[in-house]
Amino acid sequence: AQSVTQLDSQVPVFEEAPVELRCNYSSSVSVYLFWYVQYPNQGLQLLLKYLSGSTLVKGINGFEAEFNKSQTSFHLRKPSVHISDTAEYFCAVSDTTGGFKTIFGAGTRLFVKA
Amino acid sequence: NAGVTQTPKFQVLKTGQSMTLQCAQDMNHNSMYWYRQDPGMGLRLIYYSASEGTTDKGEVPNGYNVSRLNKREFSLRLESAAPSQTSVYFCASSGGLAGGWYEQYFGPGTRLTVT
Repeated sequence: AQSVTQLDSQVPVFEEAPVELRCNYSSSVSVYLFWYVQYPNQGLQLLLKYLSGSTLVKGINGFEAEFNKSQTSFHLRKPSVHISDTAEYFCAVSDTTGGFKTIFGAGTRLFVKA
Repeated sequence: NAGVTQTPKFQVLKTGQSMTLQCAQDMNHNSMYWYRQDPGMGLRLIYYSASEGTTDKGEVPNGYNVSRLNKREFSLRLESAAPSQTSVYFCASSGGLAGGWYEQYFGPGTRLTVT
C-alpha cells in the first residue's frame, strides 16, 4: 500500500519569491508520482508527472518537481510565483503494477501575497 | 471536447433521501473514478471502474453504489443520505491501458449538503 504526506498544510509567500511544496511518500513497490492543482471551486488538473527517466520533471505554469528515490520525496518548486498561483496543490502516488488507485495527499494551500 | 462533466453542480438533501450523481467523459477513457473531498483530507476514492462492465470499491465505499452505464458514463448513488456524506464529489477518468498508468482528468465537482 502507498501513502502520501504533504508536510505543509498552508504556505504563504510573497509574489515573485521562490516556493517549495514538500511531498513524501511511502511504498513497497515502484511508483508513479503526480502533482495536481485545484483552483477555487474547480476540479483538479494535472500540473506534472513522473513516470520514469529524468528525475527532474517540468510542468505547466513554470513548476517543476524532483523525484528523489532515496528520500522518497517529490517536492514541487517554482522560482518566482505569481498571484495567479494561489490554489491548493495535491501530491499523488500510484503503483506501477497495473492498479488503478491513486492515493492523494491532504493538500497544500499556496497563498501568494502582493 | 467537454472533458469530464458532472451533474448536478449543487444539491441539498434531507437525511434519508436518495439521489444519483451523474458523470460523463468524452475522451474515450477506459477507467473512471468517484472521489469525495473533505477539508484537510485530500481526495478519497469511493469507487472506481477499471473498464466498462467492472466496478470495484475504493477506500470509502459504505453508503454508496455505482453503475458503469457504458464507456462514457459512471454514476454514483446515495441510497439513504446521511450528514456524514456532506462533501464535494469529483468524478475522474483516465486511459488506464493494461500495464500502464495515466493521469486522471477531473470534472468540476458536485457540492452536496445533507441536512
